[in-house]
Formats: sequence, C-alpha cells, structure tokens
Amino acid sequence: GQNIDQPTEMTATEGAIVQINCTYQTSGFNGLFWYQQHAGEAPTFLSYNVLDGLEEKGRFSSFLSRSKGYSYLLLKELQMKDSASYLCAVSSGSARQLTFGSGTQLTVLP
Amino acid sequence: KAGVTQTPRYLIKTRGQQVTLSCSPISGHRSVSWYQQTPGQGLQFLFEYFSETQRNKGNFPGRFSGRQFSNSRSEMNVSTLELGDSALYLCASSFNRGNLNTGELFFGEGSRLTVL
Repeated sequence: GQNIDQPTEMTATEGAIVQINCTYQTSGFNGLFWYQQHAGEAPTFLSYNVLDGLEEKGRFSSFLSRSKGYSYLLLKELQMKDSASYLCAVSSGSARQLTFGSGTQLTVLP
Repeated sequence: KAGVTQTPRYLIKTRGQQVTLSCSPISGHRSVSWYQQTPGQGLQFLFEYFSETQRNKGNFPGRFSGRQFSNSRSEMNVSTLELGDSALYLCASSFNRGNLNTGELFFGEGSRLTVL
C-alpha cells in the first residue's frame, strides 16, 4: 500500500517563509505533486518533482529526495491569499495513479 | 480551452436514494478520475476510467460505481445513499498519453452532496 504523511495544520505570518513537509512510502514511484486548495474550490497544480532536488517557481519551491521518501514545499514572502490547504500527492504505478495526503491547512496571519 | 466541468454543483438527497454525478473532462484528455473529499479523510480515490474502461479502483463499496462514454465524459453513481456519503465529489482529468504523461490531474469544481 501507500502511506503519505504531512502536518495537519501550520500557521505563519505574512511576509515570512514556511516549509510544509511530506513523507511517503510507495512502490513504483513516478513523481510527486503539490496542489493548493482554497476553501470551497478545486485543487490546483503547484509543482511536480520527479528527480531529486529543488524545483523553483516564483515564490514557491518544491524539493524531493527519493531515497528518503521526503518532499517539502517552500513558500516565501507569504501573502494572506496563501492561506489554503496544501496537498502532497504521489504518482505511482504504470497508470501513474495519484494518491493524496490529507493536506496541510496553512493559515497566514497579518 | 474549457476546464473540467462537473454537474450538478450542489445536491441534497435523503438516505436510501441514489445519485448520479457527471463530469466532462478537458478536451483531449482520455483519463477521468473520481475522488471523494471529506474533512476527516481528505481526498480518497474512487476510480479511474480510461478509454471507457475502469483502470483503477479505490477501496469503496460496490454502491459506488461509474462509467465513461466514448467522448470521455464520465458519470459516477452512488446507490442506497448513507449519511456518511455526504462529501465533495471531485472529478479530475489527465492527458495520460505514454511518456508525455506526468499524471498531473486537472480538477473540476466538484459536486457537493448532502445526504439527510
């Protein structure tokens, strides 16, 4: 089976940096996704890592270590609009099925 | 191009009834996946359809079923509704074509089902 763990909640201050961790156990690993979901809305794609290392995209960066089964999402210069749930998802198997973690609810305070 | 479209957006049913939800994927996407999202359980995978065939199935009872049509549109059905079926049902489509495919999912807005 697969197991994906991420913290349930995090709080940070506007303008700060926050790191959301995700650990996983899976077979047939193809890649790891991060999605953002605002309350009442659909999840939207943030990043995709298939190789070890850091992928940077504006204020958001995502890191992957396949040997450790570990990823993190780094959000810089936090804004109020970044308050949302952040979902870690692992792609596995020949069908590249996505399995999601329970999500980390990030609250950005003024 | 248009995104993933789900209908209806909201619906209320009573225990024992059945419900059918519809999903139109992004044009050109042949894979459609369904997820149930609840506050306590997060996003739980229901099933995935590709070219009208169910390719993967999650750990849900047989009351949950689905199908995909030749135009890639998909429906899911829940029979004999229970209170615990109240959830947001999300549909997602994927390009899913060989090595070009990363598995990235594009989600619809969801159908929020309330069972009374």
